Amino acid sequence: GESVGLHLPTLSVQEGDNSIINCAYSNSASDYFIWYKQESGKGPQFIIDIRSNMDKRQGQRVTVLLNKTVKHLSLQIAATQPGDSAVYFCAENQAGTALIFGKGTTLSVSS
Amino acid sequence: NAGVTQTPKFQVLKTGQSMTLQCAQDMNHEYMSWYRQDPGMGLRLIHYSVGAGITDQGEVPNGYNVSRSTTEDFPLRLLSAAPSQTSVYFCASSYTRTYGYTFGSGTRLTVV
Repeated sequence: GESVGLHLPTLSVQEGDNSIINCAYSNSASDYFIWYKQESGKGPQFIIDIRSNMDKRQGQRVTVLLNKTVKHLSLQIAATQPGDSAVYFCAENQAGTALIFGKGTTLSVSS
Repeated sequence: NAGVTQTPKFQVLKTGQSMTLQCAQDMNHEYMSWYRQDPGMGLRLIHYSVGAGITDQGEVPNGYNVSRSTTEDFPLRLLSAAPSQTSVYFCASSYTRTYGYTFGSGTRLTVV
């Protein structure tokens, strides 16, 4: 099975709303997590990362929350814009291997 | 600074043919990885490398070989192409394990 997964395959929001994309991971040895955005026909684009010694990290309009107790990761996008429409992946990493990805959540933003 | 460069962008192979997907980065990154992405699925790790001369298998390594003779290049070889290897292939690189990985734009491979 997969070590990283997402709760919902699709998420539809209105422009200006806040979006929350969730991810569950099962490997307690993972100590580094990344959120990627992938637009159609393109490679994944780095959004934000977080290490396991942190609970929260903020970027420009994005916040990542990490709950190690329940092995849960979330990406919050403030004031969602049509340009945010894409597939979002969380990925985990542990010592001795490379990034492992989940299946992704498709975010659709309507104006 | 070109980032991660993948060639070719598109390729059609016949079953049984072999080919090499090229990946090069100019950022002096030690970590490099190959992924495949199938419709409706996430990226699955094929092989990865933590430095020149060091490679290891990922989640789906069968049918693929890699080598890492230089820091810059990490080619992926398909030994005998099969229709099941039809996919989009992405190469990624990173300075360290806990540093954001940069992805190339992908190679779309079709095996007929």
